[in-house]
Amino acid sequence: KQEVTQIPAALSVPEGENLVLNCSFTDSAIYNLQWFRQDPGKGLTSLLLIQSSQREQTSGRLNASLDKSSGRSTLYIAASQPGDSATYLCAVQETSGSRLTFGEGTQLTVNP
Amino acid sequence: KAGVTQTPRYLIKTRGQQVTLSCSPISGHRSVSWYQQTPGQGLQFLFEYFSETQRNKGNFPGRFSGRQFSNSRSEMNVSTLELGDSALYLCASSFSRGARTDTQYFGPGTRLTVL
Repeated sequence: KQEVTQIPAALSVPEGENLVLNCSFTDSAIYNLQWFRQDPGKGLTSLLLIQSSQREQTSGRLNASLDKSSGRSTLYIAASQPGDSATYLCAVQETSGSRLTFGEGTQLTVNP
Repeated sequence: KAGVTQTPRYLIKTRGQQVTLSCSPISGHRSVSWYQQTPGQGLQFLFEYFSETQRNKGNFPGRFSGRQFSNSRSEMNVSTLELGDSALYLCASSFSRGARTDTQYFGPGTRLTVL
């Protein structure tokens, strides 16, 4: 059974700092890995999707990497801003079909 | 393009009642998945529908059911509500059935409170 773990559970940083969020998964046979953002009481916003054959994806200040063999992904956020404060979730898709297995999330607070 | 919409946004029910939640996917998307989010269990997969057929089911009791219509809109139903069913129910849509490149787009969720 696939298990997804995110470290740290919570992170508080000053504005402008670069930061890294970590995600690990137990079964490396995945189709893709997705990073989402969730604001309090809201739905999920897709940030980046990395296919199993890719090593990284970039969107603006965000960069996600994937090391499938070691079962790890990182989300790098450059020059953090207070608006980046949210919970960040990673999820893996193991097979065809849309089922995602989620980590518990990292709650990020960026202080002005 | 309009995003995924879910109705109602908030719902309060009492134990023993039943509830129906609705999800309208992004136009052109044929796959709809449902998730339950609670503080203790996080996000858990309920089921997935594609072309009006349930393709995958999570580990939830039979009180949780769903269906998908020909226009890809989906409903989920929970019968005989229990206090533990209080959660945020999220639906997600994608263009195809989980291709490697398929981003899933989530709706805002329905907050269900069972008293």
